[in-house]
Amino acid sequence: GNSVTQMEGPVTLSEEAFLTINCTYTATGYPSLFWYVQYPGEGLQLLLKATKADDKGSNKGFEATYRKETTSFHLEKGSVQVSDSAVYFCALSDRANTDKLIFGTGTRLQVFP
Amino acid sequence: GAVVSQHPSWVICKSGTSVKIECRSLDFQATTMFWYRQFPKQSLMLMATSNEGSKATYEQGVEKDKFLINHASLTLSTLTVTSAHPEDSSFYICSARDQMAQGKANYGYTFGSGTRLTVV
Repeated sequence: GNSVTQMEGPVTLSEEAFLTINCTYTATGYPSLFWYVQYPGEGLQLLLKATKADDKGSNKGFEATYRKETTSFHLEKGSVQVSDSAVYFCALSDRANTDKLIFGTGTRLQVFP
Repeated sequence: GAVVSQHPSWVICKSGTSVKIECRSLDFQATTMFWYRQFPKQSLMLMATSNEGSKATYEQGVEKDKFLINHASLTLSTLTVTSAHPEDSSFYICSARDQMAQGKANYGYTFGSGTRLTVV
């Protein structure tokens, strides 16, 4: 079945450090890929997405590239801020299977000044 | 942009009582809504997919008689936790799918802000 695997957290960084959160997936067909962010006590917000191979999603300085050959969608940011502290979820949507989103386990990011 | 309102944001109830959580799409029609459950420091587990006018499709291991889902209109889905027990305490999140929004920024999925249920 479809699944998403994320690196375990927490990831602890100093402000302005480089961030990578790894995400790999298993899917039949051609899924769309997403990164969602959850701030404490809140619901999920879409951070970025990519709908086909080699697409790069980007938003608020975050980037992720849909790599079909490695089935990966790693999240990166060149310089993190304290305000980026949150839980990040990688997800896929398999349009052949009711369009539901399948989430990874989430990675908590903690950024210290 | 698309907004999903989830209510209440938190609720405390006594063991054995039932709790209803509402999920409304405010500015679009949602033919499909999803209900998730999130345990502390864990991912979102899909509980069920709710389609307007038909029975919900539950994921394996989710008790449909305990978690009643109703999607009577294109803008409202409800999740009722019946005979709640402390182990049902969790964070519940709904998501509504705007079928017309595949080309839009959020690709049609909009999440509610979640409901924290505490059963005492």
